[in-house]
Amino acid sequence: EIVLTQSPGTLSLSPGERATLSCRASQSVSSNFLAWYQQKPGQAPRLLIYGASSRATGIPDRFSGSGSGTDFTLTISRLEPEDFAVYYCQQYGSSFTFGPGTKVNIK
Amino acid sequence: EVQLVQSGAEVKKPGESLKISCKGSGYSFTRHWIAWVRQMPGKGLEWMGIIYPDDSDTRYSPSFQGQVTMSSDKSISIAYLQWSSLKASDSAMYYCARTMGGTAYNYLYAMDVWGQGTTVTVSS
Repeated sequence: EIVLTQSPGTLSLSPGERATLSCRASQSVSSNFLAWYQQKPGQAPRLLIYGASSRATGIPDRFSGSGSGTDFTLTISRLEPEDFAVYYCQQYGSSFTFGPGTKVNIK
Repeated sequence: EVQLVQSGAEVKKPGESLKISCKGSGYSFTRHWIAWVRQMPGKGLEWMGIIYPDDSDTRYSPSFQGQVTMSSDKSISIAYLQWSSLKASDSAMYYCARTMGGTAYNYLYAMDVWGQGTTVTVSS
């Protein structure tokens, strides 16, 4: 099973700042099948990025994904108030596993 | 509008059985796998398994194999998750989610549409 590690666990930033979230896999993710999800309190997760770098339908371009192999990054270029949430990475190259999540807090 | 609508919250006693549902609409239900994801209170997301509604081909996470049963009825576009004997540790939020694509043998896609979740509480 591929284990995903996310860092940092919590990120405290102000609106307008840039957020950089990391996801590291215990082994290479096949075909860069790596997705990012956003989850707000009381809501279902929402797909942001798939295939490591492709934005899902309707996702603003301030969200971008990058990386390959075992190291992946989600970048939010300028945080909006609605972006404060928990972010999960997920690999789907070999079955499915989720990372533990990064919580982005308002500083 | 493409959507998945899940059944309502459940409160059960240990040892009872339960079947929750996930109804798809706005798309071809048989052409996308449906995954089930558990989220325990205050915790992260765990993939439980996945089913292909067209032929009910099912794959379970080893962590959930034997603990739950997934099924589907393509005639009414509904996927199900059931327990035969609930435990207190089954208390959680359960989400269904559609894979972005899918064929009969390939379920390795991201999950682009999610149900609103079903809360299951198991308490004596």
